[in-house]
Amino acid sequence: EAGVAQSPRYKIIEKRQSVAFWCNPISGHATLYWYQQILGQGPKLLIQFQNNGVVDDSQLPKDRFSAERLKGVDSTLKIQPAKLEDSAVYLCASSVTGTNPRGQYFGPGTRLTVT
Amino acid sequence: SQQGEEDPQALSIQEGENATMNCSYKTSINNLQWYRQNSGRGLVHLILIRSNEREKHSGRLRVTLDTSKKSSSLLITASRAADTASYFCAANKAAGNKLTFGGGTRVLVKP
Repeated sequence: EAGVAQSPRYKIIEKRQSVAFWCNPISGHATLYWYQQILGQGPKLLIQFQNNGVVDDSQLPKDRFSAERLKGVDSTLKIQPAKLEDSAVYLCASSVTGTNPRGQYFGPGTRLTVT
Repeated sequence: SQQGEEDPQALSIQEGENATMNCSYKTSINNLQWYRQNSGRGLVHLILIRSNEREKHSGRLRVTLDTSKKSSSLLITASRAADTASYFCAANKAAGNKLTFGGGTRVLVKP
């Protein structure tokens, strides 16, 4: 089965610019997650979707970050405007609904550098 | 603060040795999961242990869970150079599969 796809793999922008990341989950996975992983740390959940509805966005900095999953399949995460501290790897993951013994499936991530 | 905290932060061993890492968490959990991350890549799910389980095996991996101490351990037996990676525990507090990750243990297996 095809894995979680993400693009771009790398992005370098200047502070105050905007950036968008795209994710296509594994076919049939209703739940989609966006994580932020700062160098040397574990991933931090930004937002969780169930189909096209938001389940949890409690850690999403909503003044600058937004995400959507309009058709319940692929998703876009946007940062506008970017700050230096947004430099991180942005990981997308997907899973089937409910507790899955095989956990979440992660994409390769997008490495963002804000200068 | 993170739900899971791993110990040690880094571990260096020789090929063939065992590697043990520990994870502590703060609140009640539904299950606890372990993931591996190779440098520059996404995470790969290794094993899930439910709150009513105490030990689980998968190949060379052995996971234990002590809910009274809110801790878990991951043992990799007979390590290989290919096991070099960062290992993360992730606590799932409730149904819905929301995970809270620890800071990870960086494991170096020297050939």
